[in-house]
Amino acid sequence: DTEVTQTPKHLVMGMTNKKSLKCEQHMGHRAMYWYKQKAKKPPELMFVYSYEKLSINESVPSRFSPECPNSSLLNLHLHALQPEDSALYLCASSQDSRSGGAYEQYFGPGTRLTVT
Amino acid sequence: GNSVTQMEGPVTLSEEAFLTINCTYTATGYPSLFWYVQYPGEGLQLLLKATKADDKGSNKGFEATYRKETTSFHLEKGSVQVSDSAVYFCALTTGRRALTFGSGTRLQVQP
Repeated sequence: DTEVTQTPKHLVMGMTNKKSLKCEQHMGHRAMYWYKQKAKKPPELMFVYSYEKLSINESVPSRFSPECPNSSLLNLHLHALQPEDSALYLCASSQDSRSGGAYEQYFGPGTRLTVT
Repeated sequence: GNSVTQMEGPVTLSEEAFLTINCTYTATGYPSLFWYVQYPGEGLQLLLKATKADDKGSNKGFEATYRKETTSFHLEKGSVQVSDSAVYFCALTTGRRALTFGSGTRLQVQP
């Protein structure tokens, strides 16, 4: 099974709201990722968790707050977003090693976020 | 640093035509190479991969060969179908948990 699930599928939120995106995988992967994808562009890396610890933050604004409660779950907490944050948010997972091997990533279907 | 260059799209083909989408790369170290496909409104699906020089990745009739001498990983399919219409991304990783994507190539297959 190579499935990564994400909820919700669609989300509309105002600039003063707080919401969370959720991601889950049961492949035993120890690396999990958040990407942001704008229309007609490739995904842009936001955060990487390795063995439940944040290992990469690509200078993402603090209004995005990631959390990895355990090895299967990844959350992205959203607060005070801007309209330009509207995008498709993708979660991915991969095998990992302490030395950071070159493994393929498996993506979820994404959450389509609209900020009004 | 790492980079991936893909041919500009859209690529428009008739059903049963031969497909080639070009991909070249620059990388430090020894990359693993991937093709991902994204259907409208969906996430990315891993289409195929190759982890070392001369490896051929294949899946669902698509093929790509890791050419170290030309730093290329071109995607090919002998006979496309309307259902192959999607955006195709070439990508690589040299580890450190990061994927470098190309800009994507939109394929439109007409009946």
